[in-house]
Amino acid sequence: SAVISQKPSRDICQRGTSLTIQCQVDSQVTMMFWYRQQPGQSLTLIATANQGSEATYESGFVIDKFPISRPNLTFSTLTVSNMSPEDSSIYLCSVGPQHEQYFGPGTRLTVT
Amino acid sequence: GQQVMQIPQYQHVQEGEDFTTYCNSSTTLSNIQWYKQRPGGHPVFLIQLVKSGEVKKQKRLTFQFGEAKKNSSLHITATQTTDVGTYFCAGPAGGTSYGKLTFGQGTILTVHP
Repeated sequence: SAVISQKPSRDICQRGTSLTIQCQVDSQVTMMFWYRQQPGQSLTLIATANQGSEATYESGFVIDKFPISRPNLTFSTLTVSNMSPEDSSIYLCSVGPQHEQYFGPGTRLTVT
Repeated sequence: GQQVMQIPQYQHVQEGEDFTTYCNSSTTLSNIQWYKQRPGGHPVFLIQLVKSGEVKKQKRLTFQFGEAKKNSSLHITATQTTDVGTYFCAGPAGGTSYGKLTFGQGTILTVHP
C-alpha cells in the first residue's frame, strides 16, 4: 500500500479566502483522486488528477472552485477557492491499484 | 447516475453481539469494496469482492457479494470495541472507471462494552 501525506492536517479559514491542500505519495502513481467528506456524511469524488493533463471533475464540481494541479507522479494540490461555510469538510486524496483506494489522512477545513 | 444505498445508518450493539450492514446498488457492479473509518480517521480499505456470489472472510468479518452483483453485506461476528467506526461500501463510479468510487452512506457502528 502507498503512504500518503496531506498538508495541512486542519485549518480554519475565513469566507472568501482560498486554501491549497497538498497531497504527497511515496511512490509514483498515474492517477490521484480528490474526495470530500462533509460533516457526518459519506465520501464524494471531486475530481481525478492525471499527471500531464487537466483534471477531470465530477458533476457538481468545477475547476474555478476547485482548481487542481498535478506537477509530477507523486504530488497533487487541490485549492478550495472563495470559500463559504458550506465548504467546511474533510478533503482527502487517494491513490490505488485497480479499484482499491488508499486514502491520505485528510485535511479538516472549517470555514467561518 | 449510479446510486449505492447502505443500511442501517446506525447500529448500536453490546460487545459480543453480531453486526451486519447491507449495501445495494442501482446498477450491476464489476466489483464492490468495503472500507472502515475509525472516529477521527480516514477510510481504510478492507476488501474487494469481484465474483458473483463471492464470500470472503477476514477473521471475524464475513463479506458477501450477491449473485446479481448488485448487493453486498458485511457481517461481524462477536463484535469487539475495536470494531467501532463507520463501515462504507463502494462501487466503481460509472461502472468500470478506474479508481473512481461511489460510496454508500455508511453504517456507524457503536459497540457498548
